[in-house]
Amino acid sequence: KQEVTQIPAALSVPEGENLVLNCSFTDSAIYNLQWFRQDPGKGLTSLLLIQSSQREQTSGRLNASLDKSSGRSTLYIAASQPGDSATYLCAVKVDQAGTALIFGKGTTLSVSS
Amino acid sequence: NAGVMQNPRHLVRRRGQEARLRCSPMKGHSHVYWYRQLPEEGLKFMVYLQKENIIDESGMPKERFSAEFPKEGPSILRIQQVVRGDSAAYFCASSPVPGQNTEAFFGQGTRLTVV
Repeated sequence: KQEVTQIPAALSVPEGENLVLNCSFTDSAIYNLQWFRQDPGKGLTSLLLIQSSQREQTSGRLNASLDKSSGRSTLYIAASQPGDSATYLCAVKVDQAGTALIFGKGTTLSVSS
Repeated sequence: NAGVMQNPRHLVRRRGQEARLRCSPMKGHSHVYWYRQLPEEGLKFMVYLQKENIIDESGMPKERFSAEFPKEGPSILRIQQVVRGDSAAYFCASSPVPGQNTEAFFGQGTRLTVV
């Protein structure tokens, strides 16, 4: 059974720091991996999607990497800003046939000015 | 494209009442997924539907919960005889035909409170 774990559960950093959020999954046979952002009381916003054949994806100050063999993904946020404060969720899709995403519990990030 | 629309955003029900949650997928999307987020828990898959078909309901409780996605109109998640433990945020996601590069797009959620 696929399980997704995110460490740390919470993180506080001063503005301007570069930071890394970690995601691990127990079964390396994934189809793709997606990082989301969730603001309090809001829905999920997709940040990056990495296909199983890819090693990384970049969007602006965000870079996500994927190491399937070790069951790990990282989300790197450069030059953090207070507006980055949110919960970041990692989710994996286990096969092609339209199956659902399996989510970690998230890392809650707080960036202070 | 208005995105995935869920309504209502907030719903309060007394124990024993019925709750109906609606989800309109993004234009052109024919696949809908429902997830539940309990306090301090991650999102858990409930049910996956295509138009007029339930594809996977393995995450949905066997009793009191049902879902549909009719040919016309939104997808509906129905909870009968609600209990306090049903209080949660319910999210709907939609996608086009699934592929390796297919993103899931989520709605803003319906926050159900059972009193």
